[in-house]
Amino acid sequence: DAGVTQSPTHLIKTRGQQVTLRCSPISGHKSVSWYQQVLGQGPQFIFQYYEKEERGRGNFPDRFSARQFPNYSSELNVNALLLGDSALYLCASSSVSSTDTQYFGPGTRLTVL
Amino acid sequence: ELKVEQNPLFLSMQEGKNYTIYCNYSTTSDRLYWYRQDPGKSLESLFVLLSNGAVKQEGRLMASLDTKARLSTLHITAAVHDLSATYFCAVDLGSSGSARQLTFGSGTQLTVLP
Repeated sequence: DAGVTQSPTHLIKTRGQQVTLRCSPISGHKSVSWYQQVLGQGPQFIFQYYEKEERGRGNFPDRFSARQFPNYSSELNVNALLLGDSALYLCASSSVSSTDTQYFGPGTRLTVL
Repeated sequence: ELKVEQNPLFLSMQEGKNYTIYCNYSTTSDRLYWYRQDPGKSLESLFVLLSNGAVKQEGRLMASLDTKARLSTLHITAAVHDLSATYFCAVDLGSSGSARQLTFGSGTQLTVLP
């Protein structure tokens, strides 16, 4: 079975631009979460979506937004990019059963110049 | 605000030796995860610990959870070079059955020396 997929793998943007990152969960998983990982740190929670509804939001500015589609894939949008947005953006999917775990995709490396 | 603290942050150990990584967290939770991350790669799930006293083992790694002490440990037995990676613990703060919100520790960078 295919794991979590993300696109693109790498992205270079300049300050002030906007970016859209995409994620496809494992087949059968209805929950998608987004995390930001700055170099040398642990991932930080940005959003969780389940059944197309937002179920959680981390401490990120309103420049960050996301949505989930009927096929459970998801997009993360970041507007007005700042240098500090440079990071690895990770998508995770889960089945939200009582014994589940979150499975992470390969990530999108975003560089803001 | 939930805080998750791992120690040590950096660990160099000789092959064949044993060591333990500690993960302390500040808020009640009965769902804790351990992940491994190789340089430039994503996170690989190692263990999910779902109740007080849970113990899971896979190869040379064993994880345990004490929810009363808010402590999880990852024990490495007879380390080998292939275990060199960064290890993260993460606590789930999800408020309901379908909510999942992981708070990660800073990670422990493990280097196993020959």
